Amino acid sequence: QSVLTQPPSVSGAPGQRVTISCTGSSSNIGAGYDVHWYQQLPGSAPKLLIYGQTNRPSGVPDRFSGSKSGTSASLAITGLQAEDEADYYCQSYDSSLTAWVFGGGTKLTVL
Amino acid sequence: QVQLQESGPGLLKPSETLSLTCTVSGGSISGYYWSWIRQTPGKGLEWIAYIYYLGTTHYNPSLTSRVTISLDTSKNQFSLKLTSVTAADTAVYFCARDFGMSGGTYYDAFHIWGQGTVVTVSS
Repeated sequence: QSVLTQPPSVSGAPGQRVTISCTGSSSNIGAGYDVHWYQQLPGSAPKLLIYGQTNRPSGVPDRFSGSKSGTSASLAITGLQAEDEADYYCQSYDSSLTAWVFGGGTKLTVL
Repeated sequence: QVQLQESGPGLLKPSETLSLTCTVSGGSISGYYWSWIRQTPGKGLEWIAYIYYLGTTHYNPSLTSRVTISLDTSKNQFSLKLTSVTAADTAVYFCARDFGMSGGTYYDAFHIWGQGTVVTVSS
């Protein structure tokens, strides 16, 4: 069981908008620690998609956006494209575990 | 741009010590935190340890008794040692660098990743 909870899978048709949730607790997201999101294509390393809840590294399309509220965070992808099909992970710091923690990952399928 | 490359043996026997090295190219080790992260189908992504360029270290409490992270600034490398490995340590091991400062704020996201190296523990 991951400390940060994500839905195992989401899907959407090309052009649609999907969201991926990341639910934590008072010792991680709810404590104010930053939430970051990663995209992992098959056979590749994770790639930083969103840092500090809402910021995109250089080169990441603005179709990707993040938000945070309370003990949860969300990643939204608009204008879904076939190339977005990948696994997505959220990540934060947990003060009870004194460790950086990841969500279990969400597999995005583009229909 | 900065690139990371993991190296080390891919196959170990139970009870042996895993030793991995991450070589940093295209940039300096100075100013950043450097981490090891592993990924298994069962447990997903697991942060193992970090070392700051000045030598400060922090380990995942679940692994701290078996893990050592170290730095060789002269070679622009950092390393991981994991003792007494078992099949549960079979994973893809990644090295990674933090994001650092942006707009006056420090971000602890894992920005730069190595491609990963597969480590299998089997008798």
